[in-house]
Amino acid sequence: KQEVTQIPAALSVPEGENLVLNCSFTDSAIYNLQWFRQDPGKGLTSLLLIQSSQREQTSGRLNASLDKSSGRSTLYIAASQPGDSATYLCAVRGGSYIPTFGRGTSLIVHP
Amino acid sequence: DTGVSQDPRHKITKRGQNVTFRCDPISEHNRLYWYRQTLGQGPEFLTYFQNEAQLEKSRLLSDRFSAERPKGSFSTLEIQRTEQGDSAMYLCASSSRSGGSPTDTQYFGPGTRLTVL
Repeated sequence: KQEVTQIPAALSVPEGENLVLNCSFTDSAIYNLQWFRQDPGKGLTSLLLIQSSQREQTSGRLNASLDKSSGRSTLYIAASQPGDSATYLCAVRGGSYIPTFGRGTSLIVHP
Repeated sequence: DTGVSQDPRHKITKRGQNVTFRCDPISEHNRLYWYRQTLGQGPEFLTYFQNEAQLEKSRLLSDRFSAERPKGSFSTLEIQRTEQGDSAMYLCASSSRSGGSPTDTQYFGPGTRLTVL
């Protein structure tokens, strides 16, 4: 059974810092990995999707990497802003298309 | 707006009542997912449709839960004889392998928050 762990569970940083959020998974036979952001009481917003054959994806200040063999992904946020405050979730999808989510990293960026 | 929509956004019900939620996916998406999320947890997969066919069901989906997707468009999730443990946010997502978006990116709706008293 796939298990997904996200570290740290919570993070509080001053504005402008560069951040790294970690996601690890136990079964490396994955189809893709997707990073989401969730604001309190809201649905999830897709940030980046990495296919199993890819090593990284970039969108604006966000960069996600994937090391399938070691079962790890990182989400790098450059020059963090208060508007980045949210919970960040990673979801791993195996061949059956059933996604497994981590518990998320709760991020607060204070001015 | 052509995103995923869910109705209602909030539902308060008494234990033992039946409730039904609706999800309208992005129109060209052929895959539709239902999830349940409780406070402090990531979403837990419940079930998945490709077009009108229900292809996967989680063991979390007890016999009190049923989902349908007639004609491969909108979907409904019904919970019969609700229990307090059913209180959660119910999320719907859709995706498609075709079109201009990255392959199989899931797009989520705003969710339906269920409170069972």
